[in-house]
Amino acid sequence: DVKVTQSSRYLVKRTGEKVFLECVQDMDHENMFWYRQDPGLGLRLIYFSYDVKMKEKGDIPEGYSVSREKKERFSLILESASTNQTSMYLCASSTREKYEQYFGPGTRLTVT
Amino acid sequence: DAKTTQPNSMESNEEEPVHLPCNHSTISGTDYIHWYRQLPSQGPEYVIHGLTSNVNNRMASLAIAEDRKSSTLILHRATLRDAAVYYCLHPHNAGGTSYGKLTFGQGTILTVHP
Repeated sequence: DVKVTQSSRYLVKRTGEKVFLECVQDMDHENMFWYRQDPGLGLRLIYFSYDVKMKEKGDIPEGYSVSREKKERFSLILESASTNQTSMYLCASSTREKYEQYFGPGTRLTVT
Repeated sequence: DAKTTQPNSMESNEEEPVHLPCNHSTISGTDYIHWYRQLPSQGPEYVIHGLTSNVNNRMASLAIAEDRKSSTLILHRATLRDAAVYYCLHPHNAGGTSYGKLTFGQGTILTVHP
């Protein structure tokens, strides 16, 4: 069974903290994605990676960075968390050839 | 990705068929139509995709209009577990590393009554 796991389901951080969200997939997928989901705004793409050490900005990259040192792992980094980054964060992966994405369960991040 | 239009919400009774419509009038000739759904407190999951012909899988059927400007996701017998937000997408492959990017709209909230 395919699997995308995220390091935490719920996370509470303070403004200004550095936050790491980890995502791991066991399907040997080339592509990995980070989205955030907010009420009324739907899912929005933050960053994606199509290969190890490769990354591209999505639609809302400001305030975020990413790291992909190994094929199975894609990290989202909030350098200095702010309250407007309180959101549900979803990680996904896919093969290079297909649009079928597999999503993790999400991390609900609250920044106070 | 170009915009799709879906109803905000729909309701169905358990064990009845559900037809979820989607308009995608700006779709280009090579764009596939994809459907995902998101169950409560979970990430989205892939449902089905197609290009021109109607498609069936264990979860649903996808009926695509001849002009490809609209499609309908069909759940043949709705169950309570089908209550979810259903998203219709047609990602545009602009080449290079844009391949694989999805843009989700607001989707249709499906309520299934017992």
